[in-house]
Amino acid sequence: GAVVSQHPSWVICKSGTSVKIECRSLDFQATTMFWYRQFPKQSLMLMATSNEGSKATYEQGVEKDKFLINHASLTLSTLTVTSAHPEDSSFYICSASLSNGYEQYFGPGTRLTVT
Amino acid sequence: AQSVTQLDSQVPVFEEAPVELRCNYSSSVSVYLFWYVQYPNQGLQLLLKYLSGSTLVKGINGFEAEFNKSQTSFHLRKPSVHISDTAEYFCAVSDNDMRFGAGTRLTVKP
Repeated sequence: GAVVSQHPSWVICKSGTSVKIECRSLDFQATTMFWYRQFPKQSLMLMATSNEGSKATYEQGVEKDKFLINHASLTLSTLTVTSAHPEDSSFYICSASLSNGYEQYFGPGTRLTVT
Repeated sequence: AQSVTQLDSQVPVFEEAPVELRCNYSSSVSVYLFWYVQYPNQGLQLLLKYLSGSTLVKGINGFEAEFNKSQTSFHLRKPSVHISDTAEYFCAVSDNDMRFGAGTRLTVKP
């Protein structure tokens, strides 16, 4: 149980284009979903927290207009990287939690490469 | 706010040797503690978690960890490692948000 999927698993896009990453909780309803970014050989950095039907809460230093998060249902959250640049290349990982909030279930990650 | 310190960025060890990966945390409230493993280009896999109860927690792949409240530690141990245990290991603390340590790279050598 508690499986989270991400799509795509990897994507290459050209500079200036936008790319959307989906995060789905497959066998449970996720009250809250989280988006993390991971640079090579570094830890996970929380980008934003989203609750279904509400605006996402972004961490300090994360541009909300660049990283658009939509949490349209209890099983789906999307992260759209708008006008991507090479410095946005990274590994993006989502997670989802139940109503208790303290445990998160992680997706397999999406490798984004901007050329 | 809570924080996590993983004291060793890299731990090299020979196959079949014991290993301990250290983790210390700080938090002003009751916490939940986790250890995750990450293989290259993959997401996080939960090894074990401490939520309450027994301070010795057993997880998958033969790993265990002990919650020590007085020392604010949650060190991960395995009595005999395998080559396949080579990976990045993250300690995390959670109350409402989850915060991760910097990670420890475990390299098991033959």
